[in-house]
Amino acid sequence: GESVGLHLPTLSVQEGDNSIINCAYSNSASDYFIWYKQESGKGPQFIIDIRSNMDKRQGQRVTVLLNKTVKHLSLQIAATQPGDSAVYFCAENIDQAGTALIFGKGTTLSVSS
Amino acid sequence: GAVVSQHPSRVICKSGTSVKIECRSLDFQATTMFWYRQFPKQSLMLMATSNEGSKATYEQGVEKDKFLINHASLTLSTLTVTSAHPEDSSFYICSASAQPGNTIYFGEGSWLTVV
Repeated sequence: GESVGLHLPTLSVQEGDNSIINCAYSNSASDYFIWYKQESGKGPQFIIDIRSNMDKRQGQRVTVLLNKTVKHLSLQIAATQPGDSAVYFCAENIDQAGTALIFGKGTTLSVSS
Repeated sequence: GAVVSQHPSRVICKSGTSVKIECRSLDFQATTMFWYRQFPKQSLMLMATSNEGSKATYEQGVEKDKFLINHASLTLSTLTVTSAHPEDSSFYICSASAQPGNTIYFGEGSWLTVV
């Protein structure tokens, strides 16, 4: 079946830098996308979501960009902090279908002081 | 606080035994819950969709006789790993939402170690 993938498995940045984590999805029918943060041994933590009728959404220090033409999703974290170190997953589904979220492979973000 | 709760958070069982993991929605009723499995350094892989009052729908490659799912009420789904083997050791996570299009909540996960 179709799945969501990520471009890079790891990303290392310095504290204070901006981080960009990318995701490519393959199901053109997906209309809802979420970024999750997962710390070791814990369940996924919601960061930000975006629906397919938008191409950008901002939260506190985070921005999600959606490019439906090339089926690409990115998460930008401003002024990255050591507490941002975690694994980040993008996930997709067809919002009103009641189907499960399908997760990408994950990017491990390491922030050094 | 958590709106989806899993229990136990950690469990160790012997090979050949069965272990049950519970997923509860605390503040809402969920006709559908989802079960995922996550191996170390890998992503969450969907195992099955748990439907209240009916049989679960399993993803390809997931043995329904080994991973028994029961969704007997609108707030509780259980995953029973039967005749567990060391290769079943994994992090099991559930998710739920009140209805399609609503916020999807995840449990904190359950670590299963089979020795």
